[in-house]
Amino acid sequence: AQRVTQPEKLLSVFKGAPVELKCNYSYSGSPELFWYVQYSRQRLQLLLRHISRESIKGFTADLNKGETSFHLKKPFAQEEDSAMYYCAPRPGANSKLTFGKGITLSVRP
Amino acid sequence: GAGVSQTPSNKVTEKGKYVELRCDPISGHTALYWYRQSLGQGPEFLIYFQGTGAADDSGLPNDRFFAVRPEGSVSTLKIQRTERGDSAVYLCASSSGPLLTGELFFGEGSRLTVL
Repeated sequence: AQRVTQPEKLLSVFKGAPVELKCNYSYSGSPELFWYVQYSRQRLQLLLRHISRESIKGFTADLNKGETSFHLKKPFAQEEDSAMYYCAPRPGANSKLTFGKGITLSVRP
Repeated sequence: GAGVSQTPSNKVTEKGKYVELRCDPISGHTALYWYRQSLGQGPEFLIYFQGTGAADDSGLPNDRFFAVRPEGSVSTLKIQRTERGDSAVYLCASSSGPLLTGELFFGEGSRLTVL
């Protein structure tokens, strides 16, 4: 079955510490993968997509097809990174976007 | 408008009542999506419109749920005979892609509470 898993519900780190938010998926073929973020009292918004291979706000995510993972990483967390993060795969261009359960990132000063 | 607008922002109703939730997408966006988010969960897909037609309604949980987009812009999600389990935040999103491509722009959501 097609599934996206974010194994942790909460990650709490100190400012300046590295961050890795895990995402695993089980989709056949070549899915597209996205990370969405929701800051406190703001709307859900796109953070980055694997196709772009870009770094946004210092975050990067590499698609590992062998491990079927798309972990989100940042070398030095900032307090403003505190938010809810959702991994969202899409099986193909004509498919709907599916969201994981999300992980709360808390960055302490 | 500048972004996706959803009304009402909060709706409290009694079990068995009928509810309508409205979504006004970003001007020019042809694709419109409805998601439902329960406490502690990620957004759950309900239905997707491309123009006026529902291209994928596989996420609607049962026939009490229905959505329309008669002129290809504003959409209304309709819930009949509401149940306590329908309580959730209903999110609307729009996209400029002709298919299910591109970035989704979300509204702030409509929080539905069924007593």
